[in-house]
Amino acid sequence: DVKVTQSSRYLVKRTGEKVFLECVQDMDHENMFWYRQDPGLGLRLIYFSYDVKMKEKGDIPEGYSVSREKKERFSLILESASTNQTSMYLCASSSPRTGVDEQFFGPGTRLTVL
Amino acid sequence: AQKITQTQPGMFVQEKEAVTLDCTYDTSDPSYGLFWYKQPSSGEMIFLIYQGSYDQQNATEGRYSLNFQKARKSANLVISASQLGDSAMYFCAMRVDYGQNFVFGPGTRLSVLP
Repeated sequence: DVKVTQSSRYLVKRTGEKVFLECVQDMDHENMFWYRQDPGLGLRLIYFSYDVKMKEKGDIPEGYSVSREKKERFSLILESASTNQTSMYLCASSSPRTGVDEQFFGPGTRLTVL
Repeated sequence: AQKITQTQPGMFVQEKEAVTLDCTYDTSDPSYGLFWYKQPSSGEMIFLIYQGSYDQQNATEGRYSLNFQKARKSANLVISASQLGDSAMYFCAMRVDYGQNFVFGPGTRLSVLP
């Protein structure tokens, strides 16, 4: 089974702090994604990566950056956390080798910025 | 730009009855994939079913079927014989560029009544 893990289920940070959200997948998937989920808005893509050291901006990249130094790990960085970044963050991975290329999701990190 | 619309914020269904969750999409690309995901209260996103734009037959996976009407740009999810465990958020999603660029709808919250 594909497994996508995220470093924390719940995180509380203060405004202005630098925040790291880590995501690791164990199925050698090429593609990895970071979303934020807010009620009524569904999932919105922040960044994605289709290879090591490669990254592409999604729909809402402002205030975020990412890092992919190894194929299995994709990190989301909030350089200076703000209260409007309080949200659920979901990581996903996928590979065209699966045929359908569906996304496999981690359990999510609920981030609260005070 | 691609867009997914789910017009039903919430739905109720009696246990053992069938229910249809609506999804319409907008894209000018002739090649795309449509996905449905389930998100229980625990938060993980579970892949349910996939329909490719060139697939001739409607997709089915157990109690899930996808009513694909290409001309109307709709991809409704049908759940037959609802169970209490089907209570969850359901998201319709579309991918245009292979391996990248998923777009999610706002979701429909389904409640199954005993």
